[in-house]
Amino acid sequence: AQSVTQLDSQVPVFEEAPVELRCNYSSSVSVYLFWYVQYPNQGLQLLLKYLSGSTLVKGINGFEAEFNKSQTSFHLRKPSVHISDTAEYFCAVSEETSGSRLTFGEGTQLTVNP
Amino acid sequence: NAGVTQTPKFQVLKTGQSMTLQCAQDMNHNSMYWYRQDPGMGLRLIYYSASEGTTDKGEVPNGYNVSRLNKREFSLRLESAAPSQTSVYFCASSEILGTGMFGQYFGPGTRLTVT
Repeated sequence: AQSVTQLDSQVPVFEEAPVELRCNYSSSVSVYLFWYVQYPNQGLQLLLKYLSGSTLVKGINGFEAEFNKSQTSFHLRKPSVHISDTAEYFCAVSEETSGSRLTFGEGTQLTVNP
Repeated sequence: NAGVTQTPKFQVLKTGQSMTLQCAQDMNHNSMYWYRQDPGMGLRLIYYSASEGTTDKGEVPNGYNVSRLNKREFSLRLESAAPSQTSVYFCASSEILGTGMFGQYFGPGTRLTVT
């Protein structure tokens, strides 16, 4: 069965600084990987996804993530954050088999300070 | 095109009361899901419906029931609410079960408090 671990529950950064949110997964088969963002009092919005091909995936709002199969990681990065990036970020994994469900990590709260 | 809608947005129940959370999607998706979100625990799957007419238990189904009324609608019922069910509930949908290549689309959530 798949599982996801987000290594940091809270990440405070200053505006315009770079940020990395870490995600590791566990699965015995090939996977699809996702990052979702949740702004306060809202539902989850898909930020980006890795399905196959290039290991560097670009998403909305200037975020990108890199799939590393050997380290079973899918870390999310942004070179320069804005106050508006303050939100909770969830990493999720789905095994590449028919009918596989989506498993979420515990979430990382990104707080961008002025 | 509203995506996934949920009603109500907020609800306060007393222990033992019952209620139904409603969810509808207008994307012609086959699969629908109910999750609960608790601090520090991410999202946990309660029930899901792979297609119209089918429902299955997820990770935390105890205390809940679901109905896939038609392709658009998937409701979650709490028969006898308990304080442990205080949470934020999200409905989601996807074209096929799991995510396939397209991910899941989420509603805005229902914030439920059981006193």
